[in-house]
Amino acid sequence: KAGVTQTPRYLIKTRGQQVTLSCSPISGHRSVSWYQQTPGQGLQFLFEYFSETQRNKGNFPGRFSGRQFSNSRSEMNVSTLELGDSALYLCASSLGGFDTEAFFGQGTRLTVV
Amino acid sequence: GENVEQHPSTLSVQEGDSAVIKCTYSDSASNYFPWYKQELGKRPQLIIDIRSNVGEKKDQRIAVTLNKTAKHFSLHITETQPEDSAVYFCAASSRGYTGGFKTIFGAGTRLFVKA
Repeated sequence: KAGVTQTPRYLIKTRGQQVTLSCSPISGHRSVSWYQQTPGQGLQFLFEYFSETQRNKGNFPGRFSGRQFSNSRSEMNVSTLELGDSALYLCASSLGGFDTEAFFGQGTRLTVV
Repeated sequence: GENVEQHPSTLSVQEGDSAVIKCTYSDSASNYFPWYKQELGKRPQLIIDIRSNVGEKKDQRIAVTLNKTAKHFSLHITETQPEDSAVYFCAASSRGYTGGFKTIFGAGTRLFVKA
């Protein structure tokens, strides 16, 4: 069974630009969560989608948004990029319950210059 | 807001010794506590989890304990091996008001096992 796939693996963007990251979950998984990982901060929860609906959101500004498609693939968008947005962005898919195992993708490393 | 504190941030042990990582959470609605291991350059992977109706769970050399009253849970690794060297994350998950869930992670513990 294929794992969680994130594209692209690496991105370099300029301040003020916007970026879109993609996540393809494991087949049959309907929940996709997004996290921002920075050194010393661990994984910070961005949002969770299930059946094309955002069910929960973390404490990030409105510049961070996402969506989920009918095939459960999800995208995350960051507008008006800031230097502090440089991080590894991870998505995780699961069957959808709060106590089901989450499987992570390899992440997209975003560098804002 | 919800918070998970994890200690220590760095832990160095001799091969064969035990390692203990402790976490404290703030959201009393948290009911699921997974632990993830992230090796250098790799994705986090679940190593063990515990639900709120259980006080302790063991899987070979790894065990987790949970004290819901104190909002405290710990990871215990016995007979450590060099391949246990990685960053370990604790997490606390709770249902959201919309039926979804939110998982809050600790900042991570970098474990070094010296051969």
